[in-house]
Amino acid sequence: GENVEQHPSTLSVQEGDSAVIKCTYSDSASNYFPWYKQELGKRPQLIIDIRSNVGEKKDQRIAVTLNKTAKHFSLHITETQPEDSAVYFCAASFPSYDKVIFGPGTSLSVIP
Amino acid sequence: NAGVTQTPKFRVLKTGQSMTLLCAQDMNHEYMYWYRQDPGMGLRLIHYSVGEGTTAKGEVPDGYNVSRLKKQNFLLGLESAAPSQTSVYFCASSFPGPYEQYFGPGTRLTVT
Repeated sequence: GENVEQHPSTLSVQEGDSAVIKCTYSDSASNYFPWYKQELGKRPQLIIDIRSNVGEKKDQRIAVTLNKTAKHFSLHITETQPEDSAVYFCAASFPSYDKVIFGPGTSLSVIP
Repeated sequence: NAGVTQTPKFRVLKTGQSMTLLCAQDMNHEYMYWYRQDPGMGLRLIHYSVGEGTTAKGEVPDGYNVSRLKKQNFLLGLESAAPSQTSVYFCASSFPGPYEQYFGPGTRLTVT
């Protein structure tokens, strides 16, 4: 069935360190993989996404890598700052590609 | 532009009562989605619509109905509320395809 797993569920890092969140998906036909950030009490917002024809994408301090053979993708945040503290959700598109299925989320805490 | 708005922001229902949540978007988006968010379970898709007059089931559709009579509005109905439907409900919209979804501020629903 359609499934996205995400690890770890919680992550605590010192300010300035890097953070990595990993996701796996079940459908080899998935071709779109977004990442959303949700600050406490706020709505989710897209921070970066990647299509299946690309292996890596960067935007300033954040990057996403995709391994289609292994069906997993990762979010990398470098030089973390306290404002990076939030819940991060990965997602993957499924069969008809009209929708994405979200992972359960990772709560990231950046300690000053 | 207001983006995506949701009405109401908060609601308390008693078991068996009914209600309708309204989602409105002013970005001329074709696709609209309803999610529920529960602790540790991420965002789960309830129903979605790929255009005016269309609806489709998501991951957790039982106990909910939807309608998309106008392109800018997507309604989520609970005919007979149950405590298990206590959750935060988010609406989202996007251009054709599930890409870069814009979320509303959420509705916090409590069923007692």
